[in-house]
Order: sequence, then structure tokens, then C-alpha cells
Amino acid sequence: GAVVSQHPSWVICKSGTSVKIECRSLDFQATTMFWYRQFPKQSLMLMATSNEGSKATYEQGVEKDKFLINHASLTLSTLTVTSAHPEDSSFYICSAWKHGYTFGSGTRLTVV
Amino acid sequence: QQQVKQSPQSLIVQKGGISIINCAYENTAFDYFPWYQQFPGKGPALLIAIRPDVSEKKEGRFTISFNKSAKQFSLHIMDSQPGDSATYFCAASKYNTDKLIFGTGTRLQVFP
Repeated sequence: GAVVSQHPSWVICKSGTSVKIECRSLDFQATTMFWYRQFPKQSLMLMATSNEGSKATYEQGVEKDKFLINHASLTLSTLTVTSAHPEDSSFYICSAWKHGYTFGSGTRLTVV
Repeated sequence: QQQVKQSPQSLIVQKGGISIINCAYENTAFDYFPWYQQFPGKGPALLIAIRPDVSEKKEGRFTISFNKSAKQFSLHIMDSQPGDSATYFCAASKYNTDKLIFGTGTRLQVFP
């Protein structure tokens, strides 16, 4: 089956610093990956669509300069939260399509 | 037109009972309707999905019922078990080509 690996599973960072989250498709190639954010007891909200070899497509209201997405290969997409602030603390989840949308295990980001 | 409405918000069921969660969509272009199960601190896991060419799909204890004319679909969990206690999300998209739109989620608790 399709496996999407996400790393790290949790991270704590200081306000003002940047954090990078990796999303890898382990057993398939993914030209498109999706990044979601989930606040406690809420649904998953799509942040952006990551396209291999081209710019990401951001959803309305998501700051593209704050959430940098790079999809440099067919198996790796990264999300960098720049100049993180406490309000960026959330659960970030990536996903890719392989006979259905497969999700990573998520990254819990806490900004202190 | 991109919304997916989900109800109920929470559900308490006794062990062995039937859990029923309902969703409604607006965009008639959607043609892929998956259900996901999410445990705390984990990414969503695909349970079962349906395309509009069938009205029902069953996999083990999980059944999706789909009503194209009403633009509604539901998840039935037969013989509910305490291990089924989790948050369930319905979702919709255009198959294999587009972002997944999630419902608001249903927190299911199954008591022994």
C-alpha cells in the first residue's frame, strides 16, 4: 500500500525561528502533495497544493511567504514555517494521491 | 459550493450498536467520497471510499450509502466496538485531480 512518511512527528521552537517539516512518499512517486493544518478539535484545512518542479498553489488566506513549500523531487515535499509565532502552533499533515489520498502521521508544532 | 457538511458533531453508541454519520455536499463535480478515521495525535486513515456509480459499498463492518440526487452520503458502522472510538471525517473531491474537502468531523465514543 501507499505510505506517506512525515518528519518530525513533533517539534518545539522559539518564536521568531523557522521550522521545516518533511513529507515523503515512500513507495510511490507523487507529482502532487497537499499540506493541511488542523487545530484542536477541528477539521483539516487545506493550506496549499505542492507541485513537483513548480510553485505551490496556496489556499485563500494562507501566507505564502510564511509557509514556504518546496517540492524538489517526486518523493519529497517540505513545508517551512518561517518566523514562527505562537498562533502557528498546530498539527500539520501532508497527503499524496495513490489510489486514494494517503496521509502522513502529522507534525505537532508548538511555538513558545 | 466547496463545502461538505457533516453531522452529528458527536455521537455516543453502546458496544454492538450501529453508528451512523451523515454528510452532504454541494458541488456536483465531486465524484470521490472517502471516509477517514483519525485517532488523537495521528494523521487520518482511509476507511472506505465510494464513487457515484454505485449507491452502496461495504467493507467489513463499514458501509457507505450514497444518494446522488440528494447529494448526500453516510457512513454506517455495524457492531460498533470501543476501539472504533475516534473522530471520523467525510470528504469529497474530483477523483485523482483535485484537493480533498473535509467535513467538520464527528467524534464517536463507543461505550462497553
